[in-house]
Amino acid sequence: AQTVTQSQPEMSVQEAETVTLSCTYDTSESDYYLFWYKQPPSRQMILVIRQEAYKQQNATENRFSVNFQKAAKSFSLKISDSQLGDAAMYFCAYRGRGTSYGKLTFGQGTILTVHP
Amino acid sequence: NAGVTQTPKFHILKIGQSMTLQCTQDMNHNYMYWYRQDPGMGLKLIYYSVGAGITDKGEVPNGYNVSRSTTEDFPLRLELAAPSQTSVYFCASSYSGGSNYGYTFGSGTRLTVV
Repeated sequence: AQTVTQSQPEMSVQEAETVTLSCTYDTSESDYYLFWYKQPPSRQMILVIRQEAYKQQNATENRFSVNFQKAAKSFSLKISDSQLGDAAMYFCAYRGRGTSYGKLTFGQGTILTVHP
Repeated sequence: NAGVTQTPKFHILKIGQSMTLQCTQDMNHNYMYWYRQDPGMGLKLIYYSVGAGITDKGEVPNGYNVSRSTTEDFPLRLELAAPSQTSVYFCASSYSGGSNYGYTFGSGTRLTVV
């Protein structure tokens, strides 16, 4: 079974600074997707960024980028120029492309605090 | 386009009572899922469905049941509620199991069992 581990229960960053959230995963599959979701206090789950395992290029979405290390099974999220609105719980998630019926496996989450 | 709609948003249930959490999507997605999120934890899969009439257990199915009579609706039934079922419940849908677009999530139901 796949597992996703976020080893940082809490992180903090100053506004306008850069922060990196860590995620590691374990799988025997070769083709899969990885995601970062943001959950603000409103509870809504918001997709931040996604990475396809067969793509070597790291995904980027505006201020959000990932460092995908397939061999190391590592998928970290970098937030540049942090804003107060980035404060939330962030979840790393794995989705196999094989017979897992699209099930997402989530990490435990990292609470990000942004200080003005 | 409403996306995924969950009702109710909040509910307090007494131990031993039963209730149904409603979930409907208007995107014609084949795949639908129910997750629960306990305080400070990630989401765990309760049940999922790959199409009308087809459902299967996830990681934590005990105490729950589901049905999928239409593509749009995927209700979650709690039978004989227990305090351990106090959680936030999320319904989600996806166009296909192999999609790289992740899920569309509902806004969640916060359920308290007392």
